[in-house]
Formats: sequence, C-alpha cells, structure tokens
Amino acid sequence: EEQLLESGGGLVQPGGSLRLSCAASGLTFSNYGMSWVRQAPGKGLEWVSAISDSSSRTYYADSVKGRFTISRDNSKNTLYLQMNNLRAEDTAVYYCAKGHWNFQRWGQGTLVTVSS
Amino acid sequence: SYVLTQPPSVSVAPGQTARIPCGGNNIGSKSVHWYQQKPGQAPVLVVYDDVDRPSGIPERFSGSNSGNTATLTISRVEAGDEADYCCQVWDTNGDHPVFGGGTKLTVL
Repeated sequence: EEQLLESGGGLVQPGGSLRLSCAASGLTFSNYGMSWVRQAPGKGLEWVSAISDSSSRTYYADSVKGRFTISRDNSKNTLYLQMNNLRAEDTAVYYCAKGHWNFQRWGQGTLVTVSS
Repeated sequence: SYVLTQPPSVSVAPGQTARIPCGGNNIGSKSVHWYQQKPGQAPVLVVYDDVDRPSGIPERFSGSNSGNTATLTISRVEAGDEADYCCQVWDTNGDHPVFGGGTKLTVL
C-alpha cells in the first residue's frame, strides 16, 4: 500500500526556518512528480510547491517563491521542503502529495505554527 | 491566476443526489479533479480528469464538465459522505495547480 509520512513540523518564530520531510513507501517514488499542499486552520487547500520525478523542474506558489525550496532524494524515497523566513500566514498543516497534475495520494500532514 | 468558485455549503437528505458545482472561466476546456476531505483527515482523490474514479471509490461518485461549470455528483448519499469537497485544475497560464474554496456537504 502506498504511504506518505510527513515530519518536521512544529512551532517556529517569525523569520525562522523549518525543514519538512516526506517519506514514501509502497510506490516507485522516482517515477512520480511530488508536491506540497497546505491548509491554514479552517481554510481551504493551497498548493505550495512541486518537483518533477528527476528534480529537473521545480514550481512554487507566488506566496512562497524565494523563501521555500523543494527537493527530493530518490535514493531515500524522500521529499523535502526547506522553509525560510517564515511568516504568520505560513501557519498551516502541510501535506505531501503524490503527483503534480493532480494529487493521487496524500500524507497525513504535519502542522507548522509560526508565532512569537 | 485562474479562479475556481464553489458554494460554501450544500445539503441533501440521505438517499438523495448531491450535486456540487465548481465554476471557472471555460472550465470545460480543462481537466477537473475532485477531493473529499473529512474532518481531521487528509484529502482523498475521488474523481480525476473530469469523470474517472480511482480504484476503491464507489460508483456513486461521478463527475461532469462543460462550459463554465464542472459538477461532482454523489448518488444515493450516505451519512458517511458528509465532508468537504474541493475541485482542482491546472492553471496553464500560471503553470501550477489551483484549488476551489471547497464545499461542505451536509447530510440532513
């Protein structure tokens, strides 16, 4: 069974940094583009970033461009999101998702709270 | 950026048919995907490419897309279908995915 397991969330002060990880199992990770999607408390889904299967292409929402970096290690079946210069409005549950055209499988999410 | 519009809520009695619209400019020319999200859980893809269902999704879930409106239809609604439903497309101009605001389905 395909599984995605996020980790790395937590409480961070404004301007701080966090690195999220997403460990994939039960799928040929290197065959798929992967994405991060977030959901602020009580709000809808917001796409954050995506990366192609070979890491040759990366995509970012305007709201995070220049602050967040997506990467992957196909040898470790792991997706990453480096988040710098965090703002209060980045507070959300961050989901790792399989795909970038659509999102066929989602992790359970990891909560990021940006607050002083 | 491409905008998808959904009503905040839809209500339906058990056993009836729920129709959840997703509006967008000429959305009929795009592929629409639908997600179900129950409270405290991650989203689940229930319809992709307008009309297809992933394995394990009941046939009661179906989709259509034409003109400026895509629709998720849930037949013979059950209490367990109560959830938020969100549509999504790929914005070719911005080269990124876009989500609708989501619709809360209430089963009366």
